[in-house]
Amino acid sequence: KAGVTQTPRYLIKTRGQQVTLSCSPISGHRSVSWYQQTPGQGLQFLFEYFSETQRNKGNFPGRFSGRQFSNSRSEMNVSTLELGDSALYLCASSPGTSSNEQFFGPGTRLTVL
Amino acid sequence: GENVEQHPSTLSVQEGDSAVIKCTYSDSASNYFPWYKQELGKRPQLIIDIRSNVGEKKDQRIAVTLNKTAKHFSLHITETQPEDSAVYFCAASIRSGGGADGLTFGKGTHLIIQP
Repeated sequence: KAGVTQTPRYLIKTRGQQVTLSCSPISGHRSVSWYQQTPGQGLQFLFEYFSETQRNKGNFPGRFSGRQFSNSRSEMNVSTLELGDSALYLCASSPGTSSNEQFFGPGTRLTVL
Repeated sequence: GENVEQHPSTLSVQEGDSAVIKCTYSDSASNYFPWYKQELGKRPQLIIDIRSNVGEKKDQRIAVTLNKTAKHFSLHITETQPEDSAVYFCAASIRSGGGADGLTFGKGTHLIIQP
């Protein structure tokens, strides 16, 4: 099976802009979770989508949002970018039901200038 | 919410020796504990996990132990090799019939294998 893919791999934006990141899970997996990784805060959970519904949410401001499509692909949007949003954004794919093993994609490196 | 503490932040061992990384969690409802290995510039990779109904799990040179009473779990790597050098993250989450909460990660341990 193909692994988790994320696009784009690298992104440079300026403060105030918005950005959309995409994640395609492993075929057959219905759950997609998003994480932010920074040197200071480590890996932090943003939210999880299952069958097009947000099922769980971490402690991030409303500027961070997401959605999931019927084919389980997911997008994450960050509006009004701040310098502190510079990070590696990782999505993780999981079957979503009997198993909660999560498999990570390669990440999108976002730099906000 | 859940809080996961991980120690040490850096661990240097001689090749062939064993390495132990320890984590504690705060939420007694957590019942799923995975460990991830992340090499520089790469994605975290799941190396082993344990559920709360099991006290120990082993996979070749890697083992994880769980003490639910003390709310701590540990990763043991035996006969370490240079390719074991990486950052290791522990995590915890609550798995219910409706799925799993997001993973709460420890801050990571940079494991260095000295030749």
